[in-house]
Formats: sequence, structure tokens, C-alpha cells
Amino acid sequence: DAGVTQSPTHLIKTRGQQVTLRCSPKSGHDTVSWYQQALGQGPQFIFQYYEEEERQRGNFPDRFSGHQFPNYSSELNVNALLLGDSALYLCASSPSVLQETQYFGPGTRLLVL
Amino acid sequence: QQQVKQSPQSLIVQKGGISIINCAYENTAFDYFPWYQQFPGKGPALLIAIRPDVSEKKEGRFTISFNKSAKQFSLHIMDSQPGDSATYFCASLTDSWGKFQFGAGTQVVVTP
Repeated sequence: DAGVTQSPTHLIKTRGQQVTLRCSPKSGHDTVSWYQQALGQGPQFIFQYYEEEERQRGNFPDRFSGHQFPNYSSELNVNALLLGDSALYLCASSPSVLQETQYFGPGTRLLVL
Repeated sequence: QQQVKQSPQSLIVQKGGISIINCAYENTAFDYFPWYQQFPGKGPALLIAIRPDVSEKKEGRFTISFNKSAKQFSLHIMDSQPGDSATYFCASLTDSWGKFQFGAGTQVVVTP
């Protein structure tokens, strides 16, 4: 079992650009949550996808959007990047029957210059 | 904004000692409180979790103590080892769909 995988591992962008991050959930998991982890901070919930729909959202602007595909993989898109978007972006997957059991991927480190 | 307050921010403990990390939560909507361990360059990994129908849960050298009336819970790492050096996060489940609020983290350094 490959666990949760994310790509790319690192990314450098400039202000105003757009970025897409990808996540493949653990086998058997159908729910994907995205978190932003700033340096020295705990993860902050961005949104969650289930059955290809955004089910709930944290306190993040509309510049942050996502998608879930029929195979449960997911993408996180961030438009009009700001310097403050520099962070580690974490994907967590869980089975719908046990939502609290979340497994995190290694994250994508985004640096906005 | 963090609604789970975690302390201390960092701690140094000698090998064989006890590490204690404390968390206080505000939201009591759902009773599930996990601790995650994160190594540099890695994602958080679930370490141990508790539901407040019990006041304590132990798994190997790791113990969670829970005080529902005080809205506090803590992680005890017994016989700390250098391999335990990592950042530890507490979390609180805020709804039935798996949305968590995390503490700010505690960096633990275990010296040989």
C-alpha cells in the first residue's frame, strides 16, 4: 500500500501565478482533505472533498479551489499567488466510514517569490 | 486561528526522561482527540488518539490523559528516546466529517 502520495514535492512560483497540487489517497479511502501548514504552525484546514464535491471549507479565500476525480484523487489550485501562500500543503485521506482516521501525505512545499 | 492551545512550544529532555505536552480546546462538538508526530520533511503521522469516555489511553511509551471538565488533554512520552525527536501536534475533531483544528505544535528534542 503506497499510502497518501502528493506531487510535486517542491514548487517555486512568483506572485500572481497559479499553481496546481495533486494528491492520491490511500487505497480504500474516498475522502480527501487539504491543509496548509505555515512554517512553525499547525496545519490549517482548507477544504474537504467527498463524492467529487467540496463538502466543507475552512477560512480560505476563493483563490483556493479544488477538485476530486472519480478515482478519489484530488487537486488543489491556488490562483493569484501571494507571498503569504508560501507553506507546506498537506493532503489527508480517510474512509467515509471512519472520517476521523486521517492519513497525511508528505506534503508539497510551495515557495512564492 | 488556532482554537486548540498547545504548550510548551518546545522542550528538551534527556534520554530516558519524560516529555509532557499539554493542549486545551474550545470546541466540544465531537469527542475525538488525536496526537500527530511530524518529522522534518514529512507529513504528520497519527501517533495515538483518545475519546473522552476514558480518562487515559496508553500505547507503548505514549499516554494520553484527558480532563473533559477542564477541556484539556496531554501527551506523555515515557522513557524518551532520541528517535522521538520530532514536532508533536494535538488536534480536536470539530465535526462528523473529519475537520480538525490543530495546535501550533511542540518541538521535542531528546538528548543522548
